[in-house]
Amino acid sequence: KQEVTQIPAALSVPEGENLVLNCSFTDSAIYNLQWFRQDPGKGLTSLLLIQSSQREQTSGRLNASLDKSSGRSTLYIAASQPGDSATYLCAVRPTGGGNKLTFGTGTQLKVEL
Amino acid sequence: DAGITQSPRHKVTETGTPVTLRCHQTENHRYMYWYRQDPGHGLRLIHYSYGVKDTDKGEVSDGYSVSRSKTEDFLLTLESATSSQTSVYFCAISPRLGLADTDTQYFGPGTRLTVL
Repeated sequence: KQEVTQIPAALSVPEGENLVLNCSFTDSAIYNLQWFRQDPGKGLTSLLLIQSSQREQTSGRLNASLDKSSGRSTLYIAASQPGDSATYLCAVRPTGGGNKLTFGTGTQLKVEL
Repeated sequence: DAGITQSPRHKVTETGTPVTLRCHQTENHRYMYWYRQDPGHGLRLIHYSYGVKDTDKGEVSDGYSVSRSKTEDFLLTLESATSSQTSVYFCAISPRLGLADTDTQYFGPGTRLTVL
């Protein structure tokens, strides 16, 4: 059974700092990995999707990397801003079996002024 | 934002009562999903649908049933609610099976259900 772990569970940083969020998964037979953002009381918003054949994806100040063989992904946020405060979740889609995602428990990020 | 609405947004009910949550989409997407989110567990898939009247079980389907009679609506029913089903329930949709970079899942705003 696939297990997805995110460390740390919570993180507080000053504005402007570069930061890295970690995601690890136990079964490397994945089709893709996604990073989502969740604001309090809201649904999830997809940030980046990395196919298993890719090493990284970038969108603005966000860069996600994937090392499938070691079961790890990182989300790098450059020059953090208070508006980045949210919970970040990673999710993996297994090879085969439809678009059934397994989610991590998330990292709650607070960027302080 | 993807056109997904969930109703009700909040509900308090008593143990043993039936509860139905509704997910409505305006995107004409084929795939629809129901998740629950609990502290320490992240999001877990309850049921999903890959077309009208086509549904399948997810990771935590016991105690839940679903129905999809129209493309735009996906209903989640708790036949006899229990306190362990207190949770936040999210509906999601996707156009295809996630075979392309754009085939992500789009999430609704969630329904907070409390079973007393």
